[in-house]
Amino acid sequence: KQEVTQIPAALSVPEGENLVLNCSFTDSAIYNLQWFRQDPGKGLTSLLLIQSSQREQTSGRLNASLDKSSGRSTLYIAASQPGDSATYLCAALNDYKLSFGAGTTVTVRA
Amino acid sequence: SQTIHQWPATLVQPVGSPLSLECTVEGTSNPNLYWYRQAAGRGLQLLFYSVGIGQISSEVPQNLSASRPQDRQFILSSKKLLLSDSGFYLCAWSGQVQETQYFGPGTRLLVL
Repeated sequence: KQEVTQIPAALSVPEGENLVLNCSFTDSAIYNLQWFRQDPGKGLTSLLLIQSSQREQTSGRLNASLDKSSGRSTLYIAASQPGDSATYLCAALNDYKLSFGAGTTVTVRA
Repeated sequence: SQTIHQWPATLVQPVGSPLSLECTVEGTSNPNLYWYRQAAGRGLQLLFYSVGIGQISSEVPQNLSASRPQDRQFILSSKKLLLSDSGFYLCAWSGQVQETQYFGPGTRLLVL
């Protein structure tokens, strides 16, 4: 059974600081690793998807890395803004099933 | 473009009452469909997934059931709600299993 862990559970930073969010998973036989954003009371928005054969994926200020052998992924958000405040979820795909971490709640202070 | 709808947005139901949550997808055909539940302080839990009409797989044994009467319609049901059924229910779709999943706005269910 895939277990996904996200550390830290919460993070508060001043505007402009870079964010580093960590995700670890126990079963390295994944198809891909996905990062989502969830605003309070809302559904999930897909941010980045890293295929198992890739080492990283970038979109604007977001960069996600994947080390499948060690079971780790990291999401970097450069030059954080108050609008980046949200909960960030990582999820590992095995076969058909996405297993989610509990998320990291980020607060960016203006 | 593809869109996914869920309704109702919020629901308050007494224990023992029935439940029906609906999810529809527009702008795509033969999607894979998923139901998740997000309980307070916990991660998302996959409840059901479907790769086609009438094809439902259950991940967690419980008093919930799912049906897919049409290609782009996915329904979550219960005959008798429990207090533990409270949570945020999210529907999602994907083109292929290995592709990203797109989530609906969710239904917040409170069972009293």
